[in-house]
Amino acid sequence: GQNIDQPTEMTATEGAIVQINCTYQTSGFNGLFWYQQHAGEAPTFLSYNVLDGLEEKGRFSSFLSRSKGYSYLLLKELQMKDSASYLCAVRDREDTGFQKLVFGTGTRLLVSP
Amino acid sequence: EPEVTQTPSHQVTQMGQEVILRCVPISNHLYFYWYRQILGQKVEFLVSFYNNEISEKSEIFDDQFSVERPDGSNFTLKIRSTKLEDSAMYFCASSFPRDADNEQFFGPGTRLTVL
Repeated sequence: GQNIDQPTEMTATEGAIVQINCTYQTSGFNGLFWYQQHAGEAPTFLSYNVLDGLEEKGRFSSFLSRSKGYSYLLLKELQMKDSASYLCAVRDREDTGFQKLVFGTGTRLLVSP
Repeated sequence: EPEVTQTPSHQVTQMGQEVILRCVPISNHLYFYWYRQILGQKVEFLVSFYNNEISEKSEIFDDQFSVERPDGSNFTLKIRSTKLEDSAMYFCASSFPRDADNEQFFGPGTRLTVL
């Protein structure tokens, strides 16, 4: 079966660093995505990992360990606007032509002053 | 910057009625998707579409659902006889197989309320 686990909710203060973890068990694996979703809005792409290691994009970094079925999203220098849900999603097909994403339930991050 | 658009933003319908949700994917994209998100729950895959046919569908996508690309720009999701449990946010997405990451771009969504 497909299973993607994330913490339901996290809180942090402005300027801090927060790490959101994701563990997955899927029938196949062809990449892991992180999306940001503000309430009532569409998911927006943050990062993509397909090989083990760290990908850095400004204040956001994402890490993947395929052998452990584990990823994390690291947010630095938190801002109030970072308050949102963060969705971990796995592409579970080896054929890159088929792009179904399996989403976790999302982690709601609340950034306080 | 190109974006996926969806209409309407909010659709209210009576149980048993047919609804058509419309999407205009990014113009050079080749893969199209529908996802739904019931309030407070996770985003769920419904269907993917490529080369004018369904490439994959989930168990949610039963005979009451259909998709169509009626022309070169629109991509529609039809629900033939809506049920209360179809109430959700429906997101259209599109992607282009240019690189390995194949990011899916999501539209703003249509909130469907079935009464």
